[in-house]
Amino acid sequence: QLQLQESGPGLVKPSETLSLTCTVSGGSIRSSTYYWGWIRQPPGKGLEWIGSIYHSGSTYYNPSLKSRVTISVDTSKNQFSLKVVSMTAADTAVYYCAREFSDTAMVYGYWGQGTLVTVSS
Amino acid sequence: EIVLTQSPGTLSLSPGERATLSCRASQSVSSDFLAWYQQAPGQAPRLLIYNVFNRATGIPDRFSGSGSGTDFTLTISRLEPEDFAVYYCQHYGTSLTFGGGTKVEI
Repeated sequence: QLQLQESGPGLVKPSETLSLTCTVSGGSIRSSTYYWGWIRQPPGKGLEWIGSIYHSGSTYYNPSLKSRVTISVDTSKNQFSLKVVSMTAADTAVYYCAREFSDTAMVYGYWGQGTLVTVSS
Repeated sequence: EIVLTQSPGTLSLSPGERATLSCRASQSVSSDFLAWYQQAPGQAPRLLIYNVFNRATGIPDRFSGSGSGTDFTLTISRLEPEDFAVYYCQHYGTSLTFGGGTKVEI
């Protein structure tokens, strides 16, 4: 079955850039008709959508984060990635990668386990 | 951007009882693009309902969604022990936003 796994540093210093990768198994990004996304959740708080990408590279971003976020895809490795620049303490969160459940609805039916990223010097 | 407000913040109920969760949008939700998720402690969210009332694969029929325009409801007909969790509504369209969540506790 489809599985997603986030990887990247658990600790980032303020003002630095966060880079996370989501590795997909049990399915192909290249042949899918779904968007792949990133969602984050600060400790004890709610969910925030970061953005989504299609295998072609087409992207959608949360307007509030768009200036600092880049999502890219590497179909040869069956991975997609997230970069967030100028990290601050407010970016401390569990970061999830996910895949759409339906190609007619931007809802996420498949999730990684999440990875906690802490911003601290 | 559509803002979603969920109420109540916390719902205290017992197993076997009915739960009614509300999600109100700051403007009308087009094309019924409204979903619900369940999140147990330490777990990733789980999709329950999409397009207002469609259950995702494997979701028990005690979960049902309803509503239109700006007012939406998730109903759990009879609470099972595993249903005590946090629930989020989500709008999708030109952008994607989540509500603040409702915690269903024993």
